[in-house]
Amino acid sequence: AQSVTQLDSQVPVFEEAPVELRCNYSSSVSVYLFWYVQYPNQGLQLLLKYLSGSTLVESINGFEAEFNKSQTSFHLRKPSVHISDTAEYFCAVSRGYSGGSNYKLTFGKGTLLTVNP
Amino acid sequence: DTGVSQNPRHKITKRGQNVTFRCDPISEHNRLYWYRQTLGQGPEFLTYFQNEAQLEKSRLLSDRFSAERPKGSFSTLEIQRTEQGDSAMYLCASSTGQGQETQYFGPGTRLLVL
Repeated sequence: AQSVTQLDSQVPVFEEAPVELRCNYSSSVSVYLFWYVQYPNQGLQLLLKYLSGSTLVESINGFEAEFNKSQTSFHLRKPSVHISDTAEYFCAVSRGYSGGSNYKLTFGKGTLLTVNP
Repeated sequence: DTGVSQNPRHKITKRGQNVTFRCDPISEHNRLYWYRQTLGQGPEFLTYFQNEAQLEKSRLLSDRFSAERPKGSFSTLEIQRTEQGDSAMYLCASSTGQGQETQYFGPGTRLLVL
């Protein structure tokens, strides 16, 4: 079984400031890691994912996350945020490849990022 | 690609009534997942289909819950004898069925049980 801890329930920042949203996971098997974003009144959208290979993954809108196996972390960062980044961010984990077909996601409780002018 | 759709978007019902939700996955997506999200929490896995076969159910899915996916296309989630604790957002997601691939989420059905 896997579990995810998002250490901050709310993160307020000013526009153009850097931000880090923290995520730690627990698992007895190899994992795949994800960040999903939920804008107000919208569904969950995949922001970025780590499956294998380079531990640093990037999204098209400037976010990046680094998989750190020794610290069991997958923190999300952005060097300069915009007001439009205001949303709830969810970290999620699934088991890594093992020949089965169920890649159900286990989510953290979410972090509400509020970007103020 | 029209995305995952869910109907209805909102449902208000009285305790004890039955409700049914529908999910239409992205065309040709073999895998379909149901999740439930309550206020202040992340989504929690309920059940999973590979084509028409329901392969896993969470312990969260009590006997009052049943899900189907006839012919491996759309899926329905029925809750019988609803309770106030069933109030939540019910999310559906689909994926292609090839290894670990992105799960695409629908907008959800928000259920309120009075």
